[in-house]
Amino acid sequence: EAQVTQNPRYLITVTGKKLTVTCSQNMNHEYMSWYRQDPGLGLRQIYYSMNVEVTDKGDVPEGYKVSRKEKRNFPLILESPSPNQTSLYFCASGVGETQYFGPGTRLLVL
Amino acid sequence: QKEVEQDPGPLSVPEGAIVSLNCTYSNSAFQYFMWYRQYSRKGPELLMYTYSSGNKEDGRFTAQVDKSSKYISLFIRDSQPSDSATYLCAMSVGAQKLVFGQGTRLTINP
Repeated sequence: EAQVTQNPRYLITVTGKKLTVTCSQNMNHEYMSWYRQDPGLGLRQIYYSMNVEVTDKGDVPEGYKVSRKEKRNFPLILESPSPNQTSLYFCASGVGETQYFGPGTRLLVL
Repeated sequence: QKEVEQDPGPLSVPEGAIVSLNCTYSNSAFQYFMWYRQYSRKGPELLMYTYSSGNKEDGRFTAQVDKSSKYISLFIRDSQPSDSATYLCAMSVGAQKLVFGQGTRLTINP
């Protein structure tokens, strides 16, 4: 079954405490991306990766880092989270008609 | 001005009605047009995918693209309570980087 998994699904943290949200896909996709979803703003792309070791900024990359050391994994790193990064985060894998989204990670930064 | 505009609703219709959802956009370079359905607490799932102008039909769903007017539509015939969800339009220049509308929340009342 085609699947994109994210962990954790829910996270409450405090300002400045580094965190990582993991994303994994089982479809052998080269393209993966991260989005954040905020009320009134829709989904906005944070970072994307065309393949292993190839990543680039999306529309809202400030405050985030990513890495792509293996094809299946694309973690999102918040080195020093701030309250304005409170949001719903989605990892996506694939492109076009074969793009799949993960179930989302709801993050609250206090 | 946002690149993609979508009325957030909410939209409430009786079961069996025809639903019309719409998005307008400003970037004439967009070539790929998509509609996603997002249930509460879930990730978006691809519903319809079209390239360039024209219509595409899939069961009770019809997607229309009018590039001359920079306007896309999704029609749902014989709407069911299970169609209650948020519907997101998305578009891209290449097949990869998506620009989303903010989503329309739809409720189908039994």
